[in-house]
Order: sequence, then C-alpha cells, then structure tokens
Amino acid sequence: NAGVTQTPKFQVLKTGQSMTLQCAQDMNHNSMYWYRQDPGMGLRLIYYSASEGTTDKGEVPNGYNVSRLNKREFSLRLESAAPSQTSVYFCASRGDRRTGELFFGEGSRLTVL
Amino acid sequence: EDKVVQSPLSLVVHEGDTVTLNCSYEVTNFRSLLWYKQEKKAPTFLFMLTSSGIEKKSGRLSSILDKKELSSILNITATQTGDSAIYLCAVEPDYKLSFGAGTTVTVRA
Repeated sequence: NAGVTQTPKFQVLKTGQSMTLQCAQDMNHNSMYWYRQDPGMGLRLIYYSASEGTTDKGEVPNGYNVSRLNKREFSLRLESAAPSQTSVYFCASRGDRRTGELFFGEGSRLTVL
Repeated sequence: EDKVVQSPLSLVVHEGDTVTLNCSYEVTNFRSLLWYKQEKKAPTFLFMLTSSGIEKKSGRLSSILDKKELSSILNITATQTGDSAIYLCAVEPDYKLSFGAGTTVTVRA
C-alpha cells in the first residue's frame, strides 16, 4: 500500500520557470492538501480540496495553482517560480474527519535559483 | 484569520526529564486539535482532541484540550533521545487544517 506519493522528490528551478508537483493517494480519501514547510514556520497551507471537484485557498496561495484531477490526484503548479518559493512541499490526504489523521507524502524539496 | 501559536519554539532537556508543550489557538467554529511529531521527513500523527474527547494518552505521551482557555498541552514523560523531534499542533475549524510553527525538542543523553 503506497499511501501518498509525491513526485518529484527534488527539483531545482531557475526564476521564472514553471513546474508541477504531482500527488496521488491510493486510500480512497476525500480530502487532499498541499503544505509548504520553511525553517521555523511549521507547515503552511497553500491549497486544499475537501472533496473531488472542489479546491480552496489556504494561508499562502499566491503564486500557486492546483488541480484536483480526480479523487486520487491533486497537483500543485508554480507558473513562474520565484526564490521565495524555495521550500519543502508536502501533500497530504485524509479520509475520515472523525479520526482526524492526515497522511503525508514524503515531501518534495524545491530550490529556485 | 485562524491563528495557532506554539510555545516554546525550542527546548533542550536530558533523558528522563518531563516536557510540556503548549498550543493556543484562535479559530472560528473549532472542530478539533491535532498533534503531530516530525523527525526527518513527514509528520506522523499522535493525537486528535475534540469537544467530546479532551484527553488522550499513549504510553509516555499525553495531551489535554482546554476549550475554555483555547489551548492544549502535550506532555512527554521520562523522555528518551528518540523523542527528539519537531512537535506540531494543528487546528481544524472546517476541512482546512492550520498548523503552528512547531516546537523543536532536543533530548540529550
């Protein structure tokens, strides 16, 4: 059982380039999330999708777009990367709100030069 | 805007000590508060606290939710070097889960 899979794990971009982070979960979860983590700042929510067909902004959505392609997949796109987007990105999913547990991917380390 | 504040930001203890971590929050329509432990990679789930479940315990870890004070504490007793990690608190007003900055705990042998 793979859980939550993110690709790529590492990426180096130049300022202005675009890229898409892919996330897929095989647990039939309804809700999916994208977070970024910077030193001393915990996890900050970029976008989330409460269910297939819906997406909503989190705390730091500027410079990002998302697509909930289907129930399994939730992608994060950087249209024009900036050095301020250098970070570790985590995708997460959750099935049952009663248990609360978020299942995280392994993270994607993105560096923008 | 939802706010989750953890304190202290970091602490260093010796093996066998007891640690108490704090999480305070300001959210509309509070639903639950979650604690996570993060070592080298992705966070792992510890507890979820709600209005109907304000106290949880697992081994040396325990947590209490104080809805009146809008806060929670996470206690770790008889600490071990394996407890060294970042401890994250998250609050859920709706489907959106907002995390605090985390507390970095270092346990020295």
